Amino acid sequence: ETGVTQSPTHLIKTRGQQVTLRCSSQSGHNTVSWYQQALGQGPQFIFQYYREEENGRGNFPPRFSGLQFPNYSSELNVNALELDDSALYLCASRESYQGISEAFFGQGTRLTVV
Amino acid sequence: AQKITQTQPGMFVQEKEAVTLDCTYDTSDPSYGLFWYKQPSSGEMIFLIYQGSYDQQNATEGRYSLNFQKARKSANLVISASQLGDSAMYFCAMREGLSGAGSYQLTFGKGTKLSVIP
Repeated sequence: ETGVTQSPTHLIKTRGQQVTLRCSSQSGHNTVSWYQQALGQGPQFIFQYYREEENGRGNFPPRFSGLQFPNYSSELNVNALELDDSALYLCASRESYQGISEAFFGQGTRLTVV
Repeated sequence: AQKITQTQPGMFVQEKEAVTLDCTYDTSDPSYGLFWYKQPSSGEMIFLIYQGSYDQQNATEGRYSLNFQKARKSANLVISASQLGDSAMYFCAMREGLSGAGSYQLTFGKGTKLSVIP
């Protein structure tokens, strides 16, 4: 039990639609990262939020966006869904002042785009 | 070039035996951290062990140990006394440029599927 919860667990969307995925971090964890894990691959870094601002981004287009809220919850928004967006989406939180602390992951949201 | 390479797509091990999962990495940053995560079929990534680039000793956490060979850029995970519950995907990951509030991007390998046989 990592204390990081994601919702929903599973989701099916149609190509072109928009989707919002949610993550609730542990209290005190002011850094949250999102990862996309395609089938049979390792997770790929999408972006990171620290104190409600994006401060790091991987190789993902602007239609992937996020929000972080003061209550340690966060969202990943994906616009204009494509078939290749089908994947497991993981959020991870950590206490950023601990420079080498591990990230605690949620159980993920499995998104299927049809 | 791949930053994290895991060359074993799948491994089998007999229950109670030890197993080594391979990981090599590529970085020019002198300050980095190496992580191993376990991912059961439920999807959650479970942190197992961490090794910093400046750590003099190999990391150990219970039945997990990390065989860190800096010159060869390898960070193999050793699981001793395998249990049926160890069956899962295992991912090696690296974070470069260690700092406090900076980007915490983890770069993952493609993973190794470990199956423990009774």
